[in-house]
Amino acid sequence: NAGVTQTPKFQVLKTGQSMTLQCAQDMNHNSMYWYRQDPGMGLRLIYYSASEGTTDKGEVPNGYNVSRLNKREFSLRLESAAPSQTSVYFCASEQGGETQYFGPGTRLLVL
Amino acid sequence: QKEVEQNSGPLSVPEGAIASLNCTYSDRVSQSFFWYRQYSGKSPELIMSIYSNGDKEDGRFTAQLNKASQYVSLLIRDSQPSDSATYLCAARRKDSNYQLIWGAGTKLIIKP
Repeated sequence: NAGVTQTPKFQVLKTGQSMTLQCAQDMNHNSMYWYRQDPGMGLRLIYYSASEGTTDKGEVPNGYNVSRLNKREFSLRLESAAPSQTSVYFCASEQGGETQYFGPGTRLLVL
Repeated sequence: QKEVEQNSGPLSVPEGAIASLNCTYSDRVSQSFFWYRQYSGKSPELIMSIYSNGDKEDGRFTAQLNKASQYVSLLIRDSQPSDSATYLCAARRKDSNYQLIWGAGTKLIIKP
């Protein structure tokens, strides 16, 4: 039982490059989330998926797209990376309004 | 006013003492609150949740919710160096069953 997994752990991109961050959970949770965490700003919600087949914008969705591939997997795509997207990205999953369980994070540097 | 506010710290507490962490919230959040601990370079993990006015205890941790004054606090008794971390307060949004609003976190340092 791995919980929530994320790949990659680290990534360096050049401005304008694209990439997809992968997230998977094995807890059979309905809801999944993508956050970014910047120093001094706490966690900010990018997108979430309340259940398989649905996605909704959070507070900072610009520059990102998501796909809920199936119940287990929720990916985050940066189409044209910008230095302002340098951050730590966390994926989380949740069932029924209870605890959110987090993946280990992806550290992204955009040059 | 931010929806969820925390003092960023750092808060320095001697080993064995009580650490008190506070969080205030606005009318835009519901009455579901969560305290997460985040070690440097790691992901957040849940310590406690609280939904009702009053105290909730779990081992060395006590969460307190005061709806009238709109604050929620976390007390850590017999603080240990391993409690040194950033503590994040989160609340469920009133207009969403799914979204959490997060405070910026308080960095706690326990001095041996």
